[in-house]
Amino acid sequence: DAGITQSPRYKITETGRQVTLMCHQTWSHSYMFWYRQDLGHGLRLIYYSAAADITDKGEVPDGYVVSRSKTENFPLTLESATRSQTSVYFCASMSGRDSYNEQFFGPGTRLTVL
Amino acid sequence: ILNVEQSPQSLHVQEGDSTNFTCSFPSSNFYALHWYRWETAKSPEALFVMTLNGDEKKKGQISATLNTKEGYSYLYIKGSQPEDSATYLCAFIRGFNKFYFGSGTKLNVKP
Repeated sequence: DAGITQSPRYKITETGRQVTLMCHQTWSHSYMFWYRQDLGHGLRLIYYSAAADITDKGEVPDGYVVSRSKTENFPLTLESATRSQTSVYFCASMSGRDSYNEQFFGPGTRLTVL
Repeated sequence: ILNVEQSPQSLHVQEGDSTNFTCSFPSSNFYALHWYRWETAKSPEALFVMTLNGDEKKKGQISATLNTKEGYSYLYIKGSQPEDSATYLCAFIRGFNKFYFGSGTKLNVKP
């Protein structure tokens, strides 16, 4: 199916473990984003990517690593998970070269770090 | 830290009421403003992308205005319906792909 998907949808892990959240889009959109949603903060940008092999930090990048070897995939890795990284994570994609285009969001991944 | 503020945080109205809420953002270095509708258990979906001062956009009974000089955007819903119940998010874009979301206005429309 066309669209943007995230996996897993739910994840429980322990402090200190490495976790990778996957994001896949079928539109060949150039731009992809990772956000976290926390109470009182709305959506905060973690990282974004303008194209394969081009990534840049957002507002809250500490503790996260991204890669983008293929246009359609944009995994987010928590190298050593902490309780403060318990959140709902949304991936998004956007076509075109500028922010005049809307973003399309995935269904989200709810991550709990114990 | 860049603040994008939305007010009110939540709103409860009766079916048929018209309502409006505000997104406030810095008036400098404006690039674009997006409005998204976010239903519970779903993903945000774009309503409007606004780029020019004085922009007015409309989709059905929902409309939005933009004032970049004073740093605010209004979202209006005329004759709210229960299916309009959702959280409405605005995103201020400063510079290339620097998205800053507000925390949203949660609208509940009672039948």
